[in-house]
Amino acid sequence: DTGVSQDPRHKITKRGQNVTFRCDPISEHNRLYWYRQTLGQGPEFLTYFQNEAQLEKSRLLSDRFSAERPKGSFSTLEIQRTEQGDSAMYLCASTNRDTSSGNTIYFGEGSWLTVV
Amino acid sequence: RKEVEQDPGPFNVPEGATVAFNCTYSNSASQSFFWYRQDCRKEPKLLMSVYSSGNEDGRFTAQLNRASQYISLLIRDSKLSDSATYLCVALNQAGTALIFGKGTTLSVSS
Repeated sequence: DTGVSQDPRHKITKRGQNVTFRCDPISEHNRLYWYRQTLGQGPEFLTYFQNEAQLEKSRLLSDRFSAERPKGSFSTLEIQRTEQGDSAMYLCASTNRDTSSGNTIYFGEGSWLTVV
Repeated sequence: RKEVEQDPGPFNVPEGATVAFNCTYSNSASQSFFWYRQDCRKEPKLLMSVYSSGNEDGRFTAQLNRASQYISLLIRDSKLSDSATYLCVALNQAGTALIFGKGTTLSVSS
């Protein structure tokens, strides 16, 4: 499978614990995005990387959230001190082209987080 | 005000019906627009891009009105398999990220 891969697909954690999600983009895609989607809402933009540089962060990305893409390939999204409101699907997407062409953006299947 | 706003839905229609979804965007600097489809508990997938001249793909027609900052999607001859959530999407001003609406749920019944 050469699509965007996310791991884990599902995570249940207790409030206050830290969680980390990993995203492996399509090989050679230099742009990588993280989105969050809660029930009944559309995906909300969190952050954007071009290669290893984090070029844009949404105000939704509070100080408990951190994302990295150390070698410009895979990326991690860490949530510290999780809260129930963090329960959502975390989507990763990648592309190697200008974002104006929406059909070149590929989403992973998402990582579902449930905070209990 | 959210950057992209859509009809609240849900839309429940019989097979064969024609259904229209509307969407407005607030940032006049947005240059590119799309409709995505999302099945339950799955990732969003591109349905079609939206152009000012209007574009059609089989039973689906998308339209953009820049003056009114309005986007539409028309589905003709609805099929059961069209049941999904349809997301209106605009490219942000910087051209770096897609901004999604809340989505409108369509349920097609036999």
